[in-house]
Amino acid sequence: DVKVTQSSRYLVKRTGEKVFLECVQDMDHENMFWYRQDPGLGLRLIYFSYDVKMKEKGDIPEGYSVSREKKERFSLILESASTNQTSMYLCASKGQIYEQYFGPGTRLTVT
Amino acid sequence: GNSVTQMEGPVTLSEEAFLTINCTYTATGYPSLFWYVQYPGEGLQLLLKATKADDKGSNKGFEATYRKETTSFHLEKGSVQVSDSAVYFCALANTGNQFYFGTGTSLTVIP
Repeated sequence: DVKVTQSSRYLVKRTGEKVFLECVQDMDHENMFWYRQDPGLGLRLIYFSYDVKMKEKGDIPEGYSVSREKKERFSLILESASTNQTSMYLCASKGQIYEQYFGPGTRLTVT
Repeated sequence: GNSVTQMEGPVTLSEEAFLTINCTYTATGYPSLFWYVQYPGEGLQLLLKATKADDKGSNKGFEATYRKETTSFHLEKGSVQVSDSAVYFCALANTGNQFYFGTGTSLTVIP
């Protein structure tokens, strides 16, 4: 079974802090994704990566950056956290077939 | 472009009732269609999928048929249980790596 893990289930940070959310997958998938999930808005794509060191902006990249130095790991970075980035963050990976496999999510609160 | 529209919730049903959650899509070409389920506090799990017109995806008593003529992929279950309480997301994948998700439908099943 594909396993996607995220570094934290719950995280509380202060405004202005630099925040790292990490995601690791164990199936050698080429593609990895970061979404945020907000009530009434569903899932919105922040960034995705189709290979090591490659990245593409999604629908809402502002205020975020990503890093993919190794195939199995995809990090989401909030350079200076703000309260409007309080959300559930979901990581997913995808191989050659169509399904995306999701991690358990990180609920981030910025105070 | 590609997009998914699903019925708004929340939906509340009694145990053993019949469930339908409507999903329609807009896409170029021949997308694959998916239903994902999110249980409280967890990430998304693939529930079922269909990769071509007239395919029926099924899992755990849930079914959905890919209808190209009506551009629909409605989720159905004949007899829901309390354990089916969750948020359900319809999604499509087209050429390329991106998924397009609906906004989610929250289902609560009461005993």
